[in-house]
Amino acid sequence: RKEVEQDPGPFNVPEGATVAFNCTYSNSASQSFFWYRQDCRKEPKLLMSVYSSGNEDGRFTAQLNRASQYISLLIRDSKLSDSATYLCVVDPPYGQNFVFGPGTRLSVLP
Amino acid sequence: GAVVSQHPSWVICKSGTSVKIECRSLDFQATTMFWYRQFPKQSLMLMATSNEGSKATYEQGVEKDKFLINHASLTLSTLTVTSAHPEDSSFYICSARVVAGNTGELFFGEGSRLTVL
Repeated sequence: RKEVEQDPGPFNVPEGATVAFNCTYSNSASQSFFWYRQDCRKEPKLLMSVYSSGNEDGRFTAQLNRASQYISLLIRDSKLSDSATYLCVVDPPYGQNFVFGPGTRLSVLP
Repeated sequence: GAVVSQHPSWVICKSGTSVKIECRSLDFQATTMFWYRQFPKQSLMLMATSNEGSKATYEQGVEKDKFLINHASLTLSTLTVTSAHPEDSSFYICSARVVAGNTGELFFGEGSRLTVL
């Protein structure tokens, strides 16, 4: 089993749609969790950290379920500018390196 | 916020030559930096962890003699692709971690797109 797995995608949705991405991780001792966004031919950029209680930033909501080792990202009212690849990133314990999921590509269509 | 700068953004070189890519942390000190490679439509692949003042730690399958990493100061790590070949053409990205307590955010450089002719 891969350390971090994500929905394979791609997701093609119309503007204004709500879309949810899922991510699972294998190391139950993982400490921190993040969603990064990567535009084509650009570096990944932090979208939001994921907190145990769940957190929201505008149209974006992230949730963490430690028991199921599952992270989600919900995007409401999708914009064309949301088109990108979304990377689930897990910070394992004991000073190990961040682990990246394979990414899920989103295309928001007019 | 913390910024990581990478240079050059684009480089085109002839087969057999060596190319150096710089990664700088601009407003913080980074004892550890990471180097990744990303082929088109694929995920980031960690190549090595660059440690200030000591040898880099390479991931399995990455040739340390081909991808030379030097982390001479707390703000600069360099990756040199030696004797580059067309199959080395890729997007190379560095990152550094800003540590706060038990967690930390990972900041990425802008990436360097290498094309080997």
